[in-house]
Order: sequence, then structure tokens, then C-alpha cells
Amino acid sequence: GAGVSQSPSNKVTEKGKDVELRCDPISGHTALYWYRQSLGQGLEFLIYFQGNSAPDKSGLPSDRFSAERTGGSVSTLTIQRTQQEDSAVYLCASSASLAGGQRGTDTQYFGPGTRLTVL
Amino acid sequence: AQSVTQPDIHITVSEGASLELRCNYSYGATPYLFWYVQSPGQGLQLLLKYFSGDTLVQGIKGFEAEFKRSQSSFNLRKPSVHWSDAAEYFCAVGARRSGGYQKVTFGTGTKLQVIP
Repeated sequence: GAGVSQSPSNKVTEKGKDVELRCDPISGHTALYWYRQSLGQGLEFLIYFQGNSAPDKSGLPSDRFSAERTGGSVSTLTIQRTQQEDSAVYLCASSASLAGGQRGTDTQYFGPGTRLTVL
Repeated sequence: AQSVTQPDIHITVSEGASLELRCNYSYGATPYLFWYVQSPGQGLQLLLKYFSGDTLVQGIKGFEAEFKRSQSSFNLRKPSVHWSDAAEYFCAVGARRSGGYQKVTFGTGTKLQVIP
């Protein structure tokens, strides 16, 4: 019944290594979003999942970034061959949006984020 | 495509003083508008939102915002700031996409400092 959870809260990795970031959305929320927040920047949209529909990957910055959502619930964001410019806070959000849904159901609820540092 | 501008990167106010954080958006239709707050080390928390109806929206923690279509603005206000309001504030605009979901674009944030 809690909010959106993310793990790990902090991740330090070496350049060139792969990392996986996990997001557990609010139970029953069908929509899940990933954002990236770099120092001094706003939130940058990365990817969106809605139910069983094909995800909107339009915000992924390169082919090193990918995400999955298994069983319509938990999502994993994977960054391959990490670079220093990937260092940021990665935020996950979920909402109760339904396709073609009503106003008022679209509010996104955010997790605490994963702070990724690439050395 | 929609966009959001928060012209003030950093604002300092005295505790007890009034506050107004500016937000201007660009979108061709009636937008969904949001204000979120992010305290140090915390995730984003929704303060208030505007979808339709009354253009003056009340939120949590004593905040309110007014949607002004003619000015493309959605400024956040609070009559008396508390030290605990020190945080970063993000304005956001949402637009429904053809896939049925809402793509939200965030501003770059305004960092609020509260001095005694």
C-alpha cells in the first residue's frame, strides 16, 4: 500500500560497467514512467509503460539505455557501458492512467530515486 | 510540443514573508498543470494540480496556484513561508498523447531558501 519504491537508493559504478535500477510502482497503477534528473537540470523523460501496450521509448538518450516492465508491475532500467555523463538521479513514477482515461487519474507519484555515480 | 519555463533558478525569502514562484508554459491546448516539491534527498511530492474548472487551485501545505490562460502562467503562491518550505519546486505541464497517456514536461526548478 506504500508509495513507489526504487532500489538501490545509491549506486556507484565504474565507467564501462552495466547497471540495473529497479522500480516498484504503486499497486494497481498501470502507467509507469522513468525520468532522469541531472545536476541543475529539470526532469528528463526517458520511457513510459502503459499496461500491455508497446512502451514509448522516445526519451531514451542512446541505445545503451533500455527498460523492461515484467508482469505489468516492476520495472528495470538498464544502462550498458556506463559513461560519466550518465551520472544523475533516476526517478520512477507511476499513475493510475487508463488508455483514453479520465482527467484526474493521471497524477504521477514519484519514488525517491536512485542516485547513480559513474566514476 | 509543450514546454515549461521557470525563470527564477534561486529565490530567498524571510520566514513569514509571502512567496510567489513563477511558471510559464507553452502548449497549444488546455494543459494539465502541476507543481511538485522536492526536499533534499526526497522524491517529488505533488503540491497541487490544475485540470479544469476553477482557475485558483488549492494544494497541500498552504500553497495555491492560479492558472492564467492569457498569460500562459501557473504561478505558485503562499502567504506566509515556513522554514520547512525550503526545497526545490518544479512546475510541470502535461499533454495527453495519442497512446492515451499523459506526457509531462518539467521545468528546471526553482530552489527556495528560507532565512530566519
